Amino acid sequence: QKEVEQDPGPLSVPEGAIVSLNCTYSNSAFQYFMWYRQYSRKGPELLMYTYSSGNKEDGRFTAQVDKSSKYISLFIRDSQPSDSATYLCALLQGAQKLVFGQGTRLTINP
Amino acid sequence: NAGVTQTPKFRILKIGQSMTLQCAQDMNHNYMYWYRQDPGMGLKLIYYSVGAGITDKGEVPNGYNVSRSTTEDFPLRLELAAPSQTSVYFCASMGGRNQPQHFGDGTRLSIL
Repeated sequence: QKEVEQDPGPLSVPEGAIVSLNCTYSNSAFQYFMWYRQYSRKGPELLMYTYSSGNKEDGRFTAQVDKSSKYISLFIRDSQPSDSATYLCALLQGAQKLVFGQGTRLTINP
Repeated sequence: NAGVTQTPKFRILKIGQSMTLQCAQDMNHNYMYWYRQDPGMGLKLIYYSVGAGITDKGEVPNGYNVSRSTTEDFPLRLELAAPSQTSVYFCASMGGRNQPQHFGDGTRLSIL
């Protein structure tokens, strides 16, 4: 079993839709949770960072963590074509190493 | 702000050749990391460093070597390149414990 599971998609939705991206994990030692966005031929850029269960909102983006279920989500409201990218969940171990999900390729259609 | 700078951006190698991928950061970060990303996959950790003079293996270290003589630089060395090392390589740095990592834009490497 992989430490972090993420549906690779691809996921295609119309502009303005609400997008839900998810990851599950198996190791309860993960305490810090991140979402990175990666545009084609670019490096990952940090989108959201959280360390507690519950919701964290930043503009159109909401990160949700449920430690009891070992489940994290990223919601995008009012999706835009510029949101088209690959989204990677990343979980931080105590040894200061990130473990990444496979990434979900998202396309927002105008 | 330069952040994390990787060179070269692209490279084609022949089987058996060697090369060094360069990574430099100007944020005075102690932690630095090397990852590889294969098509449709997430990032896999090759090597990492928690400070100058200290390096350790990640998940997929075979065929690679690193050194960390300064805080700023963390080069990745490929010896005897193999087709399986065709990938996109990303370098990242982190300012302190439990902080997010900051990535460069990658080096695309093809071994033919």
